[in-house]
Amino acid sequence: EVLLVESGGGLVQPGGSLRLSCVASGFSFSSYAMNWVRQAPGKGLEWVSYTSSGSGTIYYADSVKGRFTISRDNAKNSLYLQMNSLRAEDTALYYCARGVFGGASDYWGQGTLVTVSS
Amino acid sequence: EIVLTQSPGTLSLSPGERATLSCRASQTVSSNYLAWYQQNPGQAPRLLIYGASSRATGIPDRFSGSGSGTDFTLSINRLEPEDFAVYYCQQYGSSPRTFGQGTKLEIK
Repeated sequence: EVLLVESGGGLVQPGGSLRLSCVASGFSFSSYAMNWVRQAPGKGLEWVSYTSSGSGTIYYADSVKGRFTISRDNAKNSLYLQMNSLRAEDTALYYCARGVFGGASDYWGQGTLVTVSS
Repeated sequence: EIVLTQSPGTLSLSPGERATLSCRASQTVSSNYLAWYQQNPGQAPRLLIYGASSRATGIPDRFSGSGSGTDFTLSINRLEPEDFAVYYCQQYGSSPRTFGQGTKLEIK
């Protein structure tokens, strides 16, 4: 069974940092691209970042470029999102999702909530 | 950046009817890399369609995707109670990989 479990969310002040983690199981993690997608409370989905299976190709949404960094450790079956200079508008549920067929997301975790507030 | 506009914003139908959801892109979607997702309240999204018209694993054949270039459609035949949810399209042919704003399918 494919399983993705996010962690690392919480309450942080504006300007602060957080590191999200996503541990994968049930599939060959090193063979798949991965995405981070977020959803602000009561709002729609927003794609955040993408990494190819070997980290050779990485993309970011304009809203997070220069502040967020995606990375992965294939030996640990783990995906990360380092988030710096956080803003109130970064408040959202952050999902990690497995990338397939060029970048669609076929399996999703349950998300980790990030709240940026003073 | 490719902007995806979904219509209608809300669609009210009855079980057994057919639903037609639209997703229009501001530029051509490369390789027709267009996906559709379903999201129920409190749950993670579920992939329905990828590559504009290919059904994901385990998705009933009541769901079908069509279109190319800038105009895409998700059709749902014979609506079941569990189909009433929010639907999103996403293009992943170019970065940034944008989502539409969603269509809420509600019971009439």
